[in-house]
Amino acid sequence: GENVEQHPSTLSVQEGDSAVIKCTYSDSASNYFPWYKQELGKRPQLIIDIRSNVGEKKDQRIAVTLNKTAKHFSLHITETQPEDSAVYFCAARLFSYDKVIFGPGTSLSVIP
Amino acid sequence: EAGVVQSPRYKIIEKKQPVAFWCNPISGHNTLYWYLQNLGQGPELLIRYENEEAVDDSQLPKDRFSAERLKGVDSTLKIQPAELGDSAVYLCASSEVVTGELFFGEGSRLTVL
Repeated sequence: GENVEQHPSTLSVQEGDSAVIKCTYSDSASNYFPWYKQELGKRPQLIIDIRSNVGEKKDQRIAVTLNKTAKHFSLHITETQPEDSAVYFCAARLFSYDKVIFGPGTSLSVIP
Repeated sequence: EAGVVQSPRYKIIEKKQPVAFWCNPISGHNTLYWYLQNLGQGPELLIRYENEEAVDDSQLPKDRFSAERLKGVDSTLKIQPAELGDSAVYLCASSEVVTGELFFGEGSRLTVL
């Protein structure tokens, strides 16, 4: 089955710097890669996603890149702000109707 | 539009007691998921429903866990009997066909003493 690995497990950056979180997946047939943000005590919420027919996607300060050959995808947050502090989960899904498998998470701290 | 609703938000029980969690998905979402989330870890899939059919329950510990989704809408996850290691947050999520985006509920935090 699908397995998703995520690095680093913790990340601290100064406010205004960039943050990068990297994930790898095992099943080359996976075709959908969402990223979720979970603040302490709250539900995970989708912040951006990418499908396998696209190499990069941006939404304001957030971008995701996908390398299908290497089975890698990454989250990039620019101009980080204290409110970006949270746990970020990458995930992968095989098909439209298949299960979503999550990575172990990255705890991001943005230091003012 | 109401999001995914779960209850109870918090539950404290003694080991060997039963417990049940309820989930009401977003209207029109055919797919419903139950995930388990331990502290500091990512959500782990327990069971996935397509309408009323459980299409993936390979990770559900069937000796003590059970789930149902009557009429393809609300779902209930039950644990009987609960063990200390079951202490976690139980997340329900739903998705619709077009985008496949998962929408999560607030979760039910279980503490087993």
